Amino acid sequence: LAKTTQPISMDSYEGQEVNITCSHNNIATNDYITWYQQFPSQGPRFIIQGYKTKVTNEVASLFIPADRKSSTLSLPRVSLSDTAVYYCLVGADSNYQLIWGAGTKLIIKP
Amino acid sequence: DGGITQSPKYLFRKEGQNVTLSCEQNLNHDAMYWYRQDPGQGLRLIYYSQIVNDFQKGDIAEGYSVSREKKESFPLTVTSAQKNPTAFYLCASSPGHNPMNEQYFGPGTRLTVT
Repeated sequence: LAKTTQPISMDSYEGQEVNITCSHNNIATNDYITWYQQFPSQGPRFIIQGYKTKVTNEVASLFIPADRKSSTLSLPRVSLSDTAVYYCLVGADSNYQLIWGAGTKLIIKP
Repeated sequence: DGGITQSPKYLFRKEGQNVTLSCEQNLNHDAMYWYRQDPGQGLRLIYYSQIVNDFQKGDIAEGYSVSREKKESFPLTVTSAQKNPTAFYLCASSPGHNPMNEQYFGPGTRLTVT
């Protein structure tokens, strides 16, 4: 099973680009990578999902190298409201072996 | 206003008592999930259900039970057999039967057992 590893915490400043990396060395061929955001005492919220290369939506980009052993969530021009815990999730569309990372606590400073 | 609700937000129980956590969704989603979250850890899957009257054990099902009598409802019972029940419990739902479809989470129930 894939195991996911993320940094425990990161700091940045308003207006900066933030990159959070998740390591998943044992990712399987049919696994996808998904990122969620969680505020205190709330449920996680979907941010973005990808399989390979680069995916972009209105709030983030997801970069996945060719070997797929890691992925990087990129948040452009962060604001104070982006302070949250970010989780990567690795799993396949064919089974329920969902591997959640322990989360990265991102703190944005003014 | 579609969404997923969990009640209560906070729950306190004495050791040895069973307790049931409520989860309701009006998103017409087929799949529902229960997760447990402990401080500094990722989410761990307790049970999941793809259709009414069917559910499967996740990674940490011991000491828990569920039912899925209606599409909208997926209650979780924390039994006295659960050795360390104090945790934050999250319910989620997703459309279709693909576990990697976007999951929509409820606000969670924080259970404290003393």
